[in-house]
Amino acid sequence: RKEVEQDPGPFNVPEGATVAFNCTYSNSASQSFFWYRQDCRKEPKLLMSVYSSGNEDGRFTAQLNRASQYISLLIRDSKLSDSATYLCVVNMLGNSGGSNYKLTFGKGTLLTVNP
Amino acid sequence: DTGVSQNPRHKITKRGQNVTFRCDPISEHNRLYWYRQTLGQGPEFLTYFQNEAQLEKSRLLSDRFSAERPKGSFSTLEIQRTEQGDSAMYLCASSSSGNQPQHFGDGTRLSIL
Repeated sequence: RKEVEQDPGPFNVPEGATVAFNCTYSNSASQSFFWYRQDCRKEPKLLMSVYSSGNEDGRFTAQLNRASQYISLLIRDSKLSDSATYLCVVNMLGNSGGSNYKLTFGKGTLLTVNP
Repeated sequence: DTGVSQNPRHKITKRGQNVTFRCDPISEHNRLYWYRQTLGQGPEFLTYFQNEAQLEKSRLLSDRFSAERPKGSFSTLEIQRTEQGDSAMYLCASSSSGNQPQHFGDGTRLSIL
């Protein structure tokens, strides 16, 4: 089983649609969770951190369910500028222990918002 | 610009040549990470530094790869005797502590002819 698995996509939605991305992770000891967005041929950029209580940032809502090892991202009222690849990211303790973490990325889900 | 800086942005070289990439992290970040990303995949962890100490290396990092961070500031990643399979985007990231989000540079795109 892959460490982080995401919806394979791609998603094509009209402007104004609501779209949801799902992600599961295999390591129950994972410490922190993020959604990054990556535009074509660009670097990943942090979209938002994900907390157990759920968190919202404008049109974006992220949820974490530690018991199910499941993370989600909801985008409401999607805009053309939301078109990008969305990466589910889990921060795990590295093999060297201590406070050494490494990010493990899903493959990403491509979203295209159409006019 | 106080973000993570990488250079060169692009590198094209013949198979068998050595290449070196540089990363300058955000100045107050003591943790620095290297990742590799190929088309259609998410970034894959290569190695990690806390200050000048290299604390973890992925199994992806063969003995042709070496990374340094001699003064705990910038880092270099060298690939010796490049192979076509090394063609990828090499991303550097930094963070202020282990559990905080990492911030990425623009990456170095390597193409092996």
